[in-house]
Amino acid sequence: RKEVEQDPGPFNVPEGATVAFNCTYSNSASQSFFWYRQDCRKEPKLLMSVYSSGNEDGRFTAQLNRASQYISLLIRDSKLSDSATYLCVVTGGGYNKLIFGAGTRLAVHP
Amino acid sequence: DAGVTQSPTHLIKTRGQHVTLRCSPISGHKSVSWYQQVLGQGPQFIFQYYEKEERGRGNFPDRFSARQFPNYSSELNVNALLLGDSALYLCASSFDRGLAGYTFGSGTRLTVV
Repeated sequence: RKEVEQDPGPFNVPEGATVAFNCTYSNSASQSFFWYRQDCRKEPKLLMSVYSSGNEDGRFTAQLNRASQYISLLIRDSKLSDSATYLCVVTGGGYNKLIFGAGTRLAVHP
Repeated sequence: DAGVTQSPTHLIKTRGQHVTLRCSPISGHKSVSWYQQVLGQGPQFIFQYYEKEERGRGNFPDRFSARQFPNYSSELNVNALLLGDSALYLCASSFDRGLAGYTFGSGTRLTVV
């Protein structure tokens, strides 16, 4: 079993749609959780950290359920510029290495 | 302020050769990690250095080695290159031990022919 598993993609949605990404992780000792965004042939960029209390940044909402070892990302009012691969990431090990899911590709069309 | 800088940006090598990739972290960042990303997959952890000491190593063969210098910059070395080593190699830095996330460089795209 992979340490971090994400919804297989791609997600093809029209502008203005709401889209949800789901992710599960296997290591209950993981301490930090993130969503990274990666554009084609570019480096991953931190989108947002994820907290148990849930957190929101504009159109983006992230949730963490430690009991279920489940992480989600909700994007409201999708824009063309949201088209990218979204990577679910947890930390592991004493020095918090990043453990990535395979990513879910989002394509927003007019 | 400069972000994480990596060099070179692109590299083509022949099987069996050796390669050295370089990374300069964000000023003040003491933790540097290396990741390998092959097409269609998420980045895979290779090494982590904090305060110039190796703090973690991923499931990669001994052909892969790294080090961190007193100025916190880092090198990743790969010996006896295989076709399967073709990938995007990413360096990431963090001020602390990564609890707040890492900032990535733009990567070195290595092609082994």
